Amino acid sequence: DSGVTQTPKHLITATGQRVTLRCSPRSGDLSVYWYQQSLDQGLQFLIQYYNGEERAKGNILERFSAQQFPDLHSELNLSSLELGDSALYFCASSVAGGRTTGELFFGEGSRLTVL
Amino acid sequence: AQKVTQAQTEISVVEKEDVTLDCVYETRDTTYYLFWYKQPPSGELVFLIRRNSFDEQNEISGRYSWNFQKSTSSFNFTITASQVVDSAVYFCALSDDDSGGYQKVTFGTGTKLQVIP
Repeated sequence: DSGVTQTPKHLITATGQRVTLRCSPRSGDLSVYWYQQSLDQGLQFLIQYYNGEERAKGNILERFSAQQFPDLHSELNLSSLELGDSALYFCASSVAGGRTTGELFFGEGSRLTVL
Repeated sequence: AQKVTQAQTEISVVEKEDVTLDCVYETRDTTYYLFWYKQPPSGELVFLIRRNSFDEQNEISGRYSWNFQKSTSSFNFTITASQVVDSAVYFCALSDDDSGGYQKVTFGTGTKLQVIP
């Protein structure tokens, strides 16, 4: 158990809909990362937050948005869903934000299926 | 710019064979960290090892060993006497500072290892 909690574990929805994925980082971790992994693909970095502030953006679509709340949990919002958005979405947390010492601990992922 | 290259997309070995997974990285930083993660068929990502840029000692953990060579910017992972349970996708990752001094993590594309009984 990594200590990172993601909900829901599985989600099936239709095209055009909107979903919210939730992540609770490990206790004490200030950084939260979101990654997308499509079928047989690597990990595509979406976005990173540190202590409530956005730190870096990767290949995140404009239809997607995220935020990190004061209690450090994070939500990833996916809207106007398309078939191609079907993927495993991982959240990871790290204690580090200002120094490169922290390995990422991953949640179990949220598997999104868009029909 | 940071970059991690795992040139081997897929590897198949017969059980009990040794196998080495290659990882080559690029960074301008002098202080950085390298990681390996395992993703078994169940899907979760499991942290295996962290190595900082100032420690080039090889590390061995059971059947796993890691060879870090700064001269060639490589951080290779060897599994000795492979077992079926080692079948997974293995990711190499690099952590260094972005321009703002915050941690940035870059993953390779992964190597899928299949161990055949």
